[in-house]
Amino acid sequence: NAGVTQTPKFQVLKTGQSMTLQCAQDMNHEYMSWYRQDPGMGLRLIHYSVGAGITDQGEVPNGYNVSRSTTEDFPLRLLSAAPSQTSVYFCASTRSGTGGNSPLHFGNGTRLTVT
Amino acid sequence: AQSVTQLGSHVSVSEGALVLLRCNYSSSVPPYLFWYVQYPNQGLQLLLKYTSAATLVKGINGFEAEFKKSETSFHLTKPSAHMSDAAEYFCAVKGSGAGSYQLTFGKGTKLSVIP
Repeated sequence: NAGVTQTPKFQVLKTGQSMTLQCAQDMNHEYMSWYRQDPGMGLRLIHYSVGAGITDQGEVPNGYNVSRSTTEDFPLRLLSAAPSQTSVYFCASTRSGTGGNSPLHFGNGTRLTVT
Repeated sequence: AQSVTQLGSHVSVSEGALVLLRCNYSSSVPPYLFWYVQYPNQGLQLLLKYTSAATLVKGINGFEAEFKKSETSFHLTKPSAHMSDAAEYFCAVKGSGAGSYQLTFGKGTKLSVIP
């Protein structure tokens, strides 16, 4: 059981380049989300989705796009990378309809550096 | 809106000593509370969760946390620290209700264990 899989593990981009961070889960979770982790800032929510075709913004959505065409996949797109987007990105998922007490399951992260 | 405050960005304890990591929350509804652990270069792993069934919650690796509504606290403890406990710990809060999937994280506490 793979859980939440993120690719790539590491990425270096130049300012202005675009890329897509991939996230896939095999647990049939309706809810998926993207967080970024920066030193001393904890984890901040970028975008989330409560099901295929439904996405919404989190706390820090600027500079990022998402889509959810299937239950399994939730890619995060950087259209024009900026040095401020240097961070570690985590994808997480959970079941829905449980009243909120089901924990998030995290991937192992993508470490992105923008030069 | 809900928020989490973790007191102390760094905590050092001697091996065998008590571990106490502090977390205070703010929530307008009865909360679900979580503690996650992050080992170096890894994703977040669930330690324990509070779901209102019991105020003292036991988790993995000998950790436990006590929910105190009057103090709006959910402090994490372990009677005797091991070297393997060195990691970063995050407290997180989620509102109740079927639509409340979003986790709000504290900024984290890095635990060092001194031999």
